[in-house]
Amino acid sequence: GQQVMQIPQYQHVQEGEDFTTYCNSSTTLSNIQWYKQRPGGHPVFLIQLVKSGEVKKQKRLTFQFGEAKKNSSLHITATQTTDVGTYFCAGGSSNTGKLIFGQGTTLQVKP
Amino acid sequence: NAGVMQNPRHLVRRRGQEARLRCSPMKGHSHVYWYRQLPEEGLKFMVYLQKENIIDESGMPKERFSAEFPKEGPSILRIQQVVRGDSAAYFCASSPAGGNYGYTFGSGTRLTVV
Repeated sequence: GQQVMQIPQYQHVQEGEDFTTYCNSSTTLSNIQWYKQRPGGHPVFLIQLVKSGEVKKQKRLTFQFGEAKKNSSLHITATQTTDVGTYFCAGGSSNTGKLIFGQGTTLQVKP
Repeated sequence: NAGVMQNPRHLVRRRGQEARLRCSPMKGHSHVYWYRQLPEEGLKFMVYLQKENIIDESGMPKERFSAEFPKEGPSILRIQQVVRGDSAAYFCASSPAGGNYGYTFGSGTRLTVV
């Protein structure tokens, strides 16, 4: 079945450093979504990418969808302590109608 | 404009008891998804439902687990004869249509089996 892999599992950075998490799917996706989960909280939708090669920005966050629609990345510029949490990518398939989540990357930011 | 409502937030059950987890989707959303999350792990898909229909239950264990989304009322995830390994956070999410829309998650039910 469809699998979505995400690396790294953990990342510790100093406040102000950049951060990137990568996501790879075993199958071609109809869309990729990104979610953030704060410690003890629930996942919160950040963004959806649909087009091959698409790049979207939200303030310090940059999201990319690969040309083959099988990989994606999230890059945070100049991290802040408020960026702490676990970032999940989730692959959508038009066949199944459901999202398969990666294992997540947990970001710790040292002030 | 209430979001996805899950209850209870915390549930403690003894081994062998039944656990019932409820989820009311966001207003206007007709698609409901249940995911399980173990500590320090990702979200594992369990089941995808629409009103009165199970669309995909490929992530549900074959025994003891069942889910429904009746015409009236919340979606229910039911776990019979719970075991310690069922202890986890169970999240419900809803969307206005299938997987090409962002999900809105509820706050989850933290199930502890003692």
